[in-house]
Amino acid sequence: AQSVAQPEDQVNVAEGNPLTVKCTYSVSGNPYLFWYVQYPNRGLQFLLKYITGDNLVKGSYGFEAEFNKSQTSFHLKKPSALVSDSALYFCAVRDYYNFNKFYFGSGTKLNVKP
Amino acid sequence: DTEVTQTPKHLVMGMTNKKSLKCEQHMGHRAMYWYKQKAKKPPELMFVYSYEKLSINESVPSRFSPECPNSSLLNLHLHALQPEDSALYLCASSQTGIPDEKLFFGSGTQLSVL
Repeated sequence: AQSVAQPEDQVNVAEGNPLTVKCTYSVSGNPYLFWYVQYPNRGLQFLLKYITGDNLVKGSYGFEAEFNKSQTSFHLKKPSALVSDSALYFCAVRDYYNFNKFYFGSGTKLNVKP
Repeated sequence: DTEVTQTPKHLVMGMTNKKSLKCEQHMGHRAMYWYKQKAKKPPELMFVYSYEKLSINESVPSRFSPECPNSSLLNLHLHALQPEDSALYLCASSQTGIPDEKLFFGSGTQLSVL
């Protein structure tokens, strides 16, 4: 079975500070991992993905994520947070046996204070 | 064109009404999805169409009826809904059969059932 967990409901960070949003995964087979962001009353927007290759993945809006196989983690990071980064962030894993299924984590609300 | 367009953006309906949600994409994607999302929760998969055929139905009540008239259009017909069906309904699309292909989401239809 495939699943992802986001252990923090909310992350608070000051503008200009680095941010980390945590995600751990449990998969059968190779992990196909994604991060999405959602602003209020909007759909989800793709940030980045890990399929294979370099463990550090760079994505949209200055975000990056580090894939760690031994810790089964895929944490989202940004060196310097902006107030406009405040949103709901979802980690997701694609089903290895049925590519049309994505499993989303519970979401982490990121609050960036000026 | 990398958009998924959903109409209407907002819908209020009574429990005896019949209404439809519409989704359109022109990216040549052959997989289209309906998700239901409650506030501050992750999206829940409802249906998946692959090459215009229903491939996944996540045990959704029959008061929700999906339809895929062609490769660009996806509808969700609603009848005799309950107040607990009030939610944001998201449409998404993707290439099919490719593990690293991301989901493209529409902005959603905010549905209120009175």
